[in-house]
Amino acid sequence: EPEVTQTPSHQVTQMGQEVILRCVPISNHLYFYWYRQILGQKVEFLVSFYNNEISEKSEIFDDQFSVERPDGSNFTLKIRSTKLEDSAMYFCASSDQGGTNEKLFFGSGTQLSVL
Amino acid sequence: GNSVTQMEGPVTLSEEAFLTINCTYTATGYPSLFWYVQYPGEGLQLLLKATKADDKGSNKGFEATYRKETTSFHLEKGSVQVSDSAVYFCALSHNGGYQKVTFGIGTKLQVIP
Repeated sequence: EPEVTQTPSHQVTQMGQEVILRCVPISNHLYFYWYRQILGQKVEFLVSFYNNEISEKSEIFDDQFSVERPDGSNFTLKIRSTKLEDSAMYFCASSDQGGTNEKLFFGSGTQLSVL
Repeated sequence: GNSVTQMEGPVTLSEEAFLTINCTYTATGYPSLFWYVQYPGEGLQLLLKATKADDKGSNKGFEATYRKETTSFHLEKGSVQVSDSAVYFCALSHNGGYQKVTFGIGTKLQVIP
């Protein structure tokens, strides 16, 4: 089965630094997402992206966050100035349709640790 | 708002035991319901889904029935295997929109031989 690939698997950064988390969605998919899970808490929706623009975002996704699809294959999440509370597992996902019944394909996640 | 509540683990079972992981939800309208599974070192994978009341989703011996009257979507398997050890997430997706999925906290299942 095709896979969503995320790199790196672990990222350690200092508070205030910028980080970019990278994802390669499944090649024919059109809808892209970022979710995160803080240790011991629920998996939370951050943002969805379609047709080169954000289609929906959560309250968590403030001005410190941005997403980009810089070429035909990558989908990135940038955190401009990391905070301690940004430490979490970040999951990228993609789907070929946008409907609520559609299956999301998730990557294995990037564990971000902010020191 | 929409939310999902599932039993907190970890759940430890012997091989061939019966599994139930409870899940209830709060949602407006008619959400679709999912169970995702995360095996160690891997991403979340869709295990099964149900899109309307009384639908039963099933896959790999797991089943869950969409119960609108009790707002529940409990996961069951008659005989678990060691390879079923993973974290199981109950989830729902909102009406309309772009697959903004609301997840439960996840239940870790450990099956011992």
